Amino acid sequence: AQSVTQPDIHITVSEGASLELRCNYSYGATPYLFWYVQSPGQGLQLLLKYFSGDTLVQGIKGFEAEFKRSQSSFNLRKPSVHWSDAAEYFCAVGVTGRRALTFGSGTRLQVQP
Amino acid sequence: EPEVTQTPSHQVTQMGQEVILRCVPISNHLYFYWYRQILGQKVEFLVSFYNNEISEKSEIFDDQFSVERPDGSNFTLKIRSTKLEDSAMYFCASKILQGPGELFFGEGSRLTVL
Repeated sequence: AQSVTQPDIHITVSEGASLELRCNYSYGATPYLFWYVQSPGQGLQLLLKYFSGDTLVQGIKGFEAEFKRSQSSFNLRKPSVHWSDAAEYFCAVGVTGRRALTFGSGTRLQVQP
Repeated sequence: EPEVTQTPSHQVTQMGQEVILRCVPISNHLYFYWYRQILGQKVEFLVSFYNNEISEKSEIFDDQFSVERPDGSNFTLKIRSTKLEDSAMYFCASKILQGPGELFFGEGSRLTVL
């Protein structure tokens, strides 16, 4: 079965600093990869997704992620973090033939002024 | 922009009571899901539903849980006899296509079991 690991439970960055959130997956074939963001008390909003093609994908709010097959990773990046980016970020994987997404445990991002 | 809506936003119930959480998926979507998130923990898959039947369920989705699409628009999750450990945020999601498409999530229903 597929699995997703987000090794960082909590990250704190200063406003304006760059950000990288790590995501590693375990699956025998190429998975379909997603990053969702959850603001406090809110639902899950899709930031970006990778199905195939260009391994660098652009998302909303200035986020991007790069799929690296050799490292089984799909790390989320943003060059300059804004205070409004403080939230919980979830990486998720979907695979062909299985209809549900599997989520990682999440990374809580705190932004310092 | 179309969205998934969930009611109630918060429900408090006594242990042993039945609870029904309601969801209105996006109108042209065909696949429906329930996930739950216990406070501070990961988002866990409960069940998926397509063509008026369950297509997949997790080990969490035991006999206490049931889902229904009673009228072509609502999608409900029923917990027959709630337990303390059912306290969580329950998210409904929908998807238009088969395969790896994006899930659109509602804002969740927080269930507190006392």
